[in-house]
Amino acid sequence: AQSVTQLGSHVSVSEGALVLLRCNYSSSVPPYLFWYVQYPNQGLQLLLKYTSAATLVKGINGFEAEFKKSETSFHLTKPSAHMSDAAEYFCAVFTDKLIFGTGTRLQVFP
Amino acid sequence: NAGVTQTPKFRVLKTGQSMTLLCAQDMNHEYMYWYRQDPGMGLRLIHYSVGEGTTAKGEVPDGYNVSRLKKQNFLLGLESAAPSQTSVYFCASTRGGRNQPQHFGDGTRLSIL
Repeated sequence: AQSVTQLGSHVSVSEGALVLLRCNYSSSVPPYLFWYVQYPNQGLQLLLKYTSAATLVKGINGFEAEFKKSETSFHLTKPSAHMSDAAEYFCAVFTDKLIFGTGTRLQVFP
Repeated sequence: NAGVTQTPKFRVLKTGQSMTLLCAQDMNHEYMYWYRQDPGMGLRLIHYSVGEGTTAKGEVPDGYNVSRLKKQNFLLGLESAAPSQTSVYFCASTRGGRNQPQHFGDGTRLSIL
């Protein structure tokens, strides 16, 4: 059965620092992987998706993620955090349904 | 450019009351989903629909019913609300296909007293 594990329910960084949010997946078939962002009192918005075309995927707001099959990982990064990046981030894997991780709340300090 | 619209946005119910949450999408999407979001648990799929007139159970379907009489609408019903159903409910839609992202509404915050 497919699943997603997000390591760290909370991550704190200083403004301008590197953002790294970790996601590992388990899937018996080639996965389709997604990162979504949720701002307070809003629904989820798509950040980026991996669909096997390229292992390094660029998304909105300067985020990118790299698919590593050998590590079953799809970590999300951003070189320089901005205050507006504070939100909750969800990794998800799709095989026959979309399965979400439990989320990582990102705090950005000035 | 509405996308996915959920009504109501907030609701407080008493145990045993019933209510219906409405989801409407204007993107002509085939697939629609209802999720619940609880702290520390991510989003869990309640029910979904792969087209008008079809519904299927997700991960946590007990205590909920759904209907998809029109392609653009997906209704979630609670026949007899219980405190364990206090949650934030999200509707989503997609064209279908494994690589298609889901588009989400802004959620309905439901409290059962």
